[in-house]
Amino acid sequence: DAGITQSPRHKVTETGTPVTLRCHQTENHRYMYWYRQDPGHGLRLIHYSYGVKDTDKGEVSDGYSVSRSKTEDFLLTLESATSSQTSVYFCATQQGYYGYTFGSGTRLTVV
Amino acid sequence: KNEVEQSPQNLTAQEGEFITINCSYSVGISALHWLQQHPGGGIVSLFMLSSGKKKHGRLIATINIQEKHSSLHITASHPRDSAVYICALGVDDKIIFGKGTRLHILP
Repeated sequence: DAGITQSPRHKVTETGTPVTLRCHQTENHRYMYWYRQDPGHGLRLIHYSYGVKDTDKGEVSDGYSVSRSKTEDFLLTLESATSSQTSVYFCATQQGYYGYTFGSGTRLTVV
Repeated sequence: KNEVEQSPQNLTAQEGEFITINCSYSVGISALHWLQQHPGGGIVSLFMLSSGKKKHGRLIATINIQEKHSSLHITASHPRDSAVYICALGVDDKIIFGKGTRLHILP
């Protein structure tokens, strides 16, 4: 969707290195989310934000941190990447009753 | 236990057939979402429902709040409808996703 941009789209990194994924939105939506998608599990919530500097954990938050210093940007950081964090990561936004908008996804491979 | 269950998990049908995908849930929700994901592609929001029925083109979504059940129907199915269809529940500030139904429409 043109309103959300994720970067990078693909990344290969080594175990133990830090990685930051970026989600940028142009819709001024208050809520932003990071999900990971793995075969057999569907989409699982990592962290979400309900405003600048306001974040909370999801069901699979261990090993991840987030920051939101501006409304338009929501960063997901893997402090020390592990192979279990190989996944496809999706960012999403939500505003009121207008539903959800998803980014195109970031495919992360940890080797 | 799963708060949201979709059926069937996989569905193969011939072009032109009427398709129904079901979603049952066990928690209180503010809204129910139907999403579409094409292979290797992003996720698109199809519908957001809190009651009744919505229609968009060949797609129809219904929800029965009392029975905690929703259905997604596709009329006159086409190979381009082949995708994974995901039911998701709006619960407080978050959404809970079903595991999806993989639909394959044969020409």
